Amino acid sequence: ILNVEQSPQSLHVQEGDSTNFTCSFPSSNFYALHWYRWETAKSPEALFVMTLNGDEKKKGRISATLNTKEGYSYLYIKGSQPEDSATYLCASMDSNYQLIWGAGTKLIIKP
Amino acid sequence: DGGITQSPKYLFRKEGQNVTLSCEQNLNHDAMYWYRQDPGQGLRLIYYSQIVNDFQKGDIAEGYSVSREKKESFPLTVTSAQKNPTAFYLCAVPGQHSPLHFGNGTRLTVT
Repeated sequence: ILNVEQSPQSLHVQEGDSTNFTCSFPSSNFYALHWYRWETAKSPEALFVMTLNGDEKKKGRISATLNTKEGYSYLYIKGSQPEDSATYLCASMDSNYQLIWGAGTKLIIKP
Repeated sequence: DGGITQSPKYLFRKEGQNVTLSCEQNLNHDAMYWYRQDPGQGLRLIYYSQIVNDFQKGDIAEGYSVSREKKESFPLTVTSAQKNPTAFYLCAVPGQHSPLHFGNGTRLTVT
């Protein structure tokens, strides 16, 4: 993988359900993996920065895991709420501190 | 967003005209970045500056110019040479607890 790929591109989830989506990135020259939440009419907000293989981070109902050997990260949202509706961006930082961005997963929570 | 101000929020220009987007920060960061976002694509780096009076081309610098005369300011000029200037433009600086701290963006429409 040469680019950062996020899937799915968009996702509709019923309020209260849990969900997850994927970020795939180049495993060579890996330095860090970033997750951002981008709500409409606001600026992207950092969620997590992860560097170590097997790392798992949590922020409230949102958590993320990292597999640097196979080049993927999962973002999980437990018990989705309307305020979780946003585009979730991931970006891979290489050893030269250059960021490569995915196109994002647009999450829509249905009440 | 707190600390980074982009203006204007919306900008409309006729084809062939140069236009300058403003980015001001009061976070005292040496580094500043300009990104472009297009539908269905990841953020792409246009220009970045690591220190006053110095800046480097990013991945898609053609048709753009910047200046960094003051630490607080990093204006981006979209010139008439930019073939597809209509996009959403984001300015960012490194954050204390996150890799990037973004402004609210400027949506440029060229007709």
